[in-house]
Amino acid sequence: NAGVMQNPRHLVRRRGQEARLRCSPVKGHSHVYWYRQLPEEGLKFMVYLQKENIIDESGMPKERFSAEFPKEGPSILRIQQVVRGDSAAYFCASSREIYGYTFGSGTRLTVV
Amino acid sequence: DAKTTQPPSMDCAEGRAANLPCNHSTISGNEYVYWYRQIHSQGPQYIIHGLKNNETNEMASLIITEDRKSSTLILPHATLRDTAVYYCIVRPAAGGTSYGKLTFGQGTILTVHP
Repeated sequence: NAGVMQNPRHLVRRRGQEARLRCSPVKGHSHVYWYRQLPEEGLKFMVYLQKENIIDESGMPKERFSAEFPKEGPSILRIQQVVRGDSAAYFCASSREIYGYTFGSGTRLTVV
Repeated sequence: DAKTTQPPSMDCAEGRAANLPCNHSTISGNEYVYWYRQIHSQGPQYIIHGLKNNETNEMASLIITEDRKSSTLILPHATLRDTAVYYCIVRPAAGGTSYGKLTFGQGTILTVHP
């Protein structure tokens, strides 16, 4: 998973707090994707972004979740007012064009 | 929803070839078959992909049937470190906004035994 950097690796939040997950894509990659993996479940697509644009957010929950990929800096997945059901591993991936993903090592979010 | 069907689990002896099947009977003519694996909750790792011809790289071989309704991922000499969940994925056709989206099913848990 060299190249896609996600931080923090582990994040603990109390119910009602905000969680910010950061993803720095491989240098030169302008496409970023976020996936969520709930405990004992498969990966589920959340959102696909290109620089400053959301291309496909069909997997994002309608409330409390947002994502951005600004012109400068990392992509951010933001979860407001976290609940216990948000506890999961969140993976980011990037690609130069549409082909070929490189995934990061993920952020493990625990809501207590 | 995943458009592929895989056995939930398989075993393989170390040093032997591991053959992982995948059914994708509803695949469209311009959709690719991708394989990824996930080792112990790490990020998924790309293995190989193909359209209609068989493909080989340093990690594996991909055999796609002539009608493209199924494929087999072959790890020629499995090692203990190949123990992972293997995902077969059909990639949406290029051009639509959903092209960037990978739909992961439950995958096959491959366990390589000493």
